[in-house]
Amino acid sequence: DTGVSQDPRHKITKRGQNVTFRCDPISEHNRLYWYRQTLGQGPEFLTYFQNEAQLEKSRLLSDRFSAERPKGSFSTLEIQRTEQGDSAMYLCASSPPVGVTEAFFGQGTRLTVV
Amino acid sequence: GQNIDQPTEMTATEGAIVQINCTYQTSGFNGLFWYQQHAGEAPTFLSYNVLDGLEEKGRFSSFLSRSKGYSYLLLKELQMKDSASYLCAVKMEGYKLSFGAGTTVTVRA
Repeated sequence: DTGVSQDPRHKITKRGQNVTFRCDPISEHNRLYWYRQTLGQGPEFLTYFQNEAQLEKSRLLSDRFSAERPKGSFSTLEIQRTEQGDSAMYLCASSPPVGVTEAFFGQGTRLTVV
Repeated sequence: GQNIDQPTEMTATEGAIVQINCTYQTSGFNGLFWYQQHAGEAPTFLSYNVLDGLEEKGRFSSFLSRSKGYSYLLLKELQMKDSASYLCAVKMEGYKLSFGAGTTVTVRA
């Protein structure tokens, strides 16, 4: 296993379009997180799954954002009716069920809304 | 809200030591992480402190004082490849991380 995988790495979309990102966590990691990072800032928490259950959503996550993890493995993050303010790096991370539980991050999907 | 403060930028010479401070005021605390992030890449885990004191890991050490809401990351024997952003993050309830804005460290020859 080579780590957390995200697809696509880059996405350019027109304002108003819908986009979907995929995250494949490290095998056997039951916790999965989505973060958003803008230039010069640290990652901001968006949402968290334990297995297939979405346990927490940030207030940052408007109704246009939805995330799923249908079988407790990969996850998708969809943004509907994109706005220019959605332009950011979307990072996925996963952590194992026991131990220090540091989060392992994927390379991210860079979204540009034009 | 959560308040995690760290300096924006630091510059140091190759071979020197740099200390990056982080102060935090958060509604919960289950440990403090330091991550390194090179431009355009994913954050990578450096260290974790949950109890007061110093954790040493090769050239990197991290210190925590929970009563003072304070941590630092110490980078010794700086190398050019250490030029990166260093992120301080507090582990909150529910395992999520609350990050500072990051400190960009530039190592000069």
